[in-house]
Amino acid sequence: EVQLVESGGGLVQPGGSLRLSCAASGFTFSTYAMSWVRQAPGKGLEWVSAISGYGGRTYYGDSLRGRFTISRDNSNNRLYLQMNSLTAEDTAVYYCAKDPIFKGYFDYWGQGTLVTVSS
Amino acid sequence: DIVMTQSPDSLAVSLGERVTINCKSSQSVFYSSDNKNYLAWYQQKPGQPPKLLFYWASTRESGVPDRFSGSGSGTDFTLTISSLQTEDLAVYYCQQYHTTPSTFGQGTKLVIK
Repeated sequence: EVQLVESGGGLVQPGGSLRLSCAASGFTFSTYAMSWVRQAPGKGLEWVSAISGYGGRTYYGDSLRGRFTISRDNSNNRLYLQMNSLTAEDTAVYYCAKDPIFKGYFDYWGQGTLVTVSS
Repeated sequence: DIVMTQSPDSLAVSLGERVTINCKSSQSVFYSSDNKNYLAWYQQKPGQPPKLLFYWASTRESGVPDRFSGSGSGTDFTLTISSLQTEDLAVYYCQQYHTTPSTFGQGTKLVIK
C-alpha cells in the first residue's frame, strides 16, 4: 500500500524558513517523480514543485523559484521541500504527491502538513 | 500559464440526480504526438487530500465507481456523475499537466439541494 506522510509544518514568522519532509513507502520510490502541491485555507490547489525520480530535474511554480528548493533522498525514501523567505501568502497545507509520469497528474497524496506564516 | 476555469463554482444537487461539471482551459491541452489530452480530475472531501478520479481526461483510476465518467478534448472537458450518491458530495478539481506549471481549476463544490 502506497503511503505518503508529510511532516515539518508549523508556525513560522515572516521571512523565516522551514523544511518539509515526506516519508514514502509501498512503492519503489526512486523510480517515480514526486511533487509538492499546496492549498491555502479554504482555497484551491496550487502545484509547487516537482522532482524527477533520480533527482536530476526539478521544476518550480513561477512565484516560488529562488525561495523553495525540492530535493529527495532515495536511500531513505524521503522527499523534501526547503522553504525560505516565507510570507503570509505561503500559508497553506502542503501535500506531497506521487507523480507517475513526471510533471503530470498525481495518483497518491499524503494527508498534508500545515504551514502557517504569521508574526 | 494555462488558466483552468470550472463551471459552476457550486452546484446544489439531489441524490440520484445526474451531475455535470465543466472545465475549460485557456489553451489546448491536447498533444497530437500521442493523441492524449493532458487533463485530470480529482475529488476532495473536507479534511482529506484530493483523490485522483481520471487522467488523460477519460481514463478512470482504479477503484473509481463507474457512475463517474470523464470526457472532452482540446479545451473543453466534462466530469459527469450519472446518479449522485451521498458519498459524492465533495469539491471537484480539474488539472492540466500539458504545460509547466501544471494548473488547477478553482473547484466545483457539490451540495445537497
